[in-house]
Amino acid sequence: AQSVTQPDIHITVSEGASLELRCNYSYGATPYLFWYVQSPGQGLQLLLKYFSGDTLVQGIKGFEAEFKRSQSSFNLRKPSVHWSDAAEYFCAVAEGTSSNTGKLIFGQGTTLQVKP
Amino acid sequence: DAGVIQSPRHEVTEMGQEVTLRCKPISGHDYLFWYRQTMMRGLELLIYFNNNVPIDDSGMPEDRFSAKMPNASFSTLKIQPSEPRDSAVYFCASSSSGGAPEQYFGPGTRLTVT
Repeated sequence: AQSVTQPDIHITVSEGASLELRCNYSYGATPYLFWYVQSPGQGLQLLLKYFSGDTLVQGIKGFEAEFKRSQSSFNLRKPSVHWSDAAEYFCAVAEGTSSNTGKLIFGQGTTLQVKP
Repeated sequence: DAGVIQSPRHEVTEMGQEVTLRCKPISGHDYLFWYRQTMMRGLELLIYFNNNVPIDDSGMPEDRFSAKMPNASFSTLKIQPSEPRDSAVYFCASSSSGGAPEQYFGPGTRLTVT
């Protein structure tokens, strides 16, 4: 069965510093992968997604993520963090491909704190 | 599109009362999901529908919880009777089988049971 692991529960970075949030997945075939962001008191917002093709995908708010099949990873990056990026970030993998069940498997989330 | 709409945004009720949460998915989406989020358990999938039919309700905590989707544009999650441990944020999300399976989330309903 698919699974998603976000090894870092909590990360603190200084404003302006670079950011990398880790995500590892377990899946036999090429997965559909997603990153979502949840600001306090809000719902989850889709940041970016990977299905196939170019392994470096660009998302909203200046985020990007790189799919590395050899490492089963889909890490999220941003070159310069803004205070407004403080939020919780969720990595997710779609369950099934051609037999699309519609379900997503979510990681436990990483809380990002930004220091001024 | 207005996105996924949930109501109410906040609900405070007393233990033993019935609570009904409502969701309107994005028009044209054929999957609808109900999630619960708490500090202790994180984000949990409760139940999901495809073309208004419940597909997997294995995440529903117990018989006090029920969900319906009478048509493609409306779903309810009902808790009867409610208990303090049901206090959480409940999210509805929808997606389309016609494209990639990304889900679009509503703003959530914050439920407090006293």
